[in-house]
Amino acid sequence: DAGITQSPRHKVTETGTPVTLRCHQTENHRYMYWYRQDPGHGLRLIHYSYGVKDTDKGEVSDGYSVSRSKTEDFLLTLESATSSQTSVYFCAISDPFGGTLSTDTQYFGPGTRLTVL
Amino acid sequence: KQEVTQIPAALSVPEGENLVLNCSFTDSAIYNLQWFRQDPGKGLTSLLLIQSSQREQTSGRLNASLDKSSGRSTLYIAASQPGDSATYLCAVTGGANSKLTFGKGITLSVRP
Repeated sequence: DAGITQSPRHKVTETGTPVTLRCHQTENHRYMYWYRQDPGHGLRLIHYSYGVKDTDKGEVSDGYSVSRSKTEDFLLTLESATSSQTSVYFCAISDPFGGTLSTDTQYFGPGTRLTVL
Repeated sequence: KQEVTQIPAALSVPEGENLVLNCSFTDSAIYNLQWFRQDPGKGLTSLLLIQSSQREQTSGRLNASLDKSSGRSTLYIAASQPGDSATYLCAVTGGANSKLTFGKGITLSVRP
């Protein structure tokens, strides 16, 4: 258990509304990631962070923004949700120095199932 | 662009059988390869990580091999059990702590 929690675990929202998903880790691991998982596409990276206030885009970043104001929290925001953003969202962490984790290994949270009507 | 392929998409075997799950990737310039397990409705559990300089890794009944030059990895499961039923995903990364590129997974069913 890498001490990753995601909230909410399930959410149903309407098109056009803003949505924020939270990823929280209990230790100070440097890297955090947001992926989405869709049938037929597998898991794809949305955004990632390599430190507080240091973030970068992944391959499917359009329509998403992220923030990391504290080491332990990584927020994913859908500014105006669309039906194409219905998906399961996973947060992951890793640490180049390992610590309590195996070096270079990504550890995943339990996921958030988001439905946009 | 890196692409990861896992074939077949689903596999059903009787309990006790030794089996091999295949993973192939198009760009051999990988940093490491990771195998994950995903149970229905759950997150991903890391099984094994192989660095690009390594040929294999073992954990219990699992053995993962890597042939970087040919762009292939295999996950060997010995003496399969019904509890091994899950989706198995492989993923590669091009650098330390950079993004993972995933295959679509192989859904394994082990029949009692």
